This record gives sequence, C-alpha cells and structure tokens, in this order.
Amino acid sequence: QKEVEQDPGPLSVPEGAIVSLNCTYSNSAFQYFMWYRQYSRKGPELLMYTYSSGNKEDGRFTAQVDKSSKYISLFIRDSQPSDSATYLCAMSDKSYNTDKLIFGTGTRLQVFP
Amino acid sequence: EAQVTQNPRYLITVTGKKLTVTCSQNMNHEYMSWYRQDPGLGLRQIYYSMNVEVTDKGDVPEGYKVSRKEKRNFPLILESPSPNQTSLYFCASRRLAGTFQETQYFGPGTRLLVL
Repeated sequence: QKEVEQDPGPLSVPEGAIVSLNCTYSNSAFQYFMWYRQYSRKGPELLMYTYSSGNKEDGRFTAQVDKSSKYISLFIRDSQPSDSATYLCAMSDKSYNTDKLIFGTGTRLQVFP
Repeated sequence: EAQVTQNPRYLITVTGKKLTVTCSQNMNHEYMSWYRQDPGLGLRQIYYSMNVEVTDKGDVPEGYKVSRKEKRNFPLILESPSPNQTSLYFCASRRLAGTFQETQYFGPGTRLLVL
C-alpha cells in the first residue's frame, strides 16, 4: 500500500463547477499537508499549505485536512479553464530539516468552457 | 526574477554514457533537492542538500550522484545511465528558515530518455 493515495483522474468538469480533489494517507505522523498545481510541461507550484487539521481558504481554493480519517481535500469554487492542470497532494511529518515530502501521483483536471 | 533553472530541458542519450543535469537558483536558498516524476508513481526524491557540502539520499538515490560546491548550484550526475532512468527530473529549492515548505520553488523540468 502506498503511503499516499490519489485518484489519477482525469476529472472533467464544466466551467463554474465546484471541484473536489482528494488524497488519503496511511502515516499518522504526517503533520504538513500541501497541494501543488502542475501545468503541462511545467514544474509544480505550491498552491496551498496546511499544518495539522482544519481548513484553509485562499480565494477560490479551500484546503481541508481530516487527520482522524487520514484524508485531505482541495476544493476549487467557480472553476475556470485556466484551472486545467494536474494537482498533486504532498505531505510530511515533523522532520522539518529533512524536507522529506511524500507526493501523491496527481489528479488531472480539465475544465471545459 | 526568482527562479530555478535546469539544463538541458530535453536529453536523449545511450546506456552508459555519463551525463550531468545542472540546476541553479538565484534566491540564495540553503536547501535544494532533486526529484524524478514517473507515470503512476508521482514525484520521488532522489537527493537533497541542506547547504554547501551537505548532501543526503532521498527515496531513490541508486544510480545518481550529486554535489553541492556552491550554494546556488546542485548538479545531478548519472555516471552510467540505464533505460530505467528515463524520466522527468525536477530540481527544487527553498529557504531553511521561515514557514515549512512555503517557499519551495521547482525548476521547469528535464526530460531524459536513455536508449
């Protein structure tokens, strides 16, 4: 079993839809949770970052962490064609200095006009 | 402009021919790392470096070498490439100080094909 599981998609939605992207994990030591967005032929860029449980909102994006269920989500409201990309979840334990990130395989999202 | 650069962006080579992929950052970051990205496997860390002359193995270091002689540069060396090293490679950097992970930047990627 992988430490981090993520549905690869693709997920295809119409413009304006609410998108829900999810990851599950098995390591209860994970404390830091991140979402990266990766456009085709580009490097990943950090989108959202959450420490421990709870919600975090940034514009149209909301990240949720449920540590009791070992489940994290990214919601995109009013999705736009420019949101079409691969979304990677990543997480880490408390070992700050080692920067040991475990990535999900990514979910490909397509938002059509 | 703050950035991480990699060269070359695309490379086709043959088994056993030594190659180096360069990585450079202009943000004075202490921390640099290399990842490979493969379909169905996601991003996996190869090596990382916390500062000049300080390097350590990530999850998949076999077949790779790195060096950190200068703060801005972190080259990835494949001494004897094999076809299973065909992949998309990313270099990343961040500060050690500040909030964990918030300042990590990825390079544009190097697509390597080993025949």
